[in-house]
Amino acid sequence: EVQLVESGGGLVQPGRSLRLSCAASGFNFDDYGMNWVRQVPGKGLEWVSGIDWNSGSIKYADSVKGRFTISRDNAKSSLYLQMNSLRADDTALYYCAKGFSAALRDHFDYWGQGTLVTVSS
Amino acid sequence: QSALTQPRSVSGSPGQSVTISCTGTRSNIGLYNYVSWYQQYPGKAPKVMIYDVSKRPSGVPDRFSGSKSGNTASLTISGLQAEDEANYYCCSYAGSSTNWLFGGGTKLTVL
Repeated sequence: EVQLVESGGGLVQPGRSLRLSCAASGFNFDDYGMNWVRQVPGKGLEWVSGIDWNSGSIKYADSVKGRFTISRDNAKSSLYLQMNSLRADDTALYYCAKGFSAALRDHFDYWGQGTLVTVSS
Repeated sequence: QSALTQPRSVSGSPGQSVTISCTGTRSNIGLYNYVSWYQQYPGKAPKVMIYDVSKRPSGVPDRFSGSKSGNTASLTISGLQAEDEANYYCCSYAGSSTNWLFGGGTKLTVL
């Protein structure tokens, strides 16, 4: 059974940093692209960042480019999102989402339950 | 404002069919056949219902179908059931610089 478990969310002040983690199990992690998708409570979904199977292709939404860094550790079956210079509009539930293939062109076939990030002073 | 436009809400009675539209541009929906649809219940994670415009993952009822014409994709749910009441989001690949765009979501109410 595929499982994606996010952690690392919490309350953080504007301008500070936070690192999210996603622990994956139930599939060969290094065979698939992975993504972060966020959702402001009560609002829609926004793709944040994606990384292909071997970290050879990494993409970011314009809203986070230059502030967020995605990475993965295939040996640990884990995905990460380093978030710097956080702003109030980064407040959201952050989902880890598995890609359907090794590349970044495929849909998201499994999602975690999300970790909530609140940016506020 | 979302890059893909969906109606905020649709409704239908049990047994009826409803269609949710998702309008993009020739740079996303019009160019790529990488349109997917996600169902989300309140407080739950999204679940893929349709991918690659019209493909259905294993386990998704065949009451759910997808299509595309020009810059607009559609999700049709036939034989509506109470359990179909949820929020639905479309998503389209938009090229290597933009990657993925979501619609604003449509709340489906089963009357």
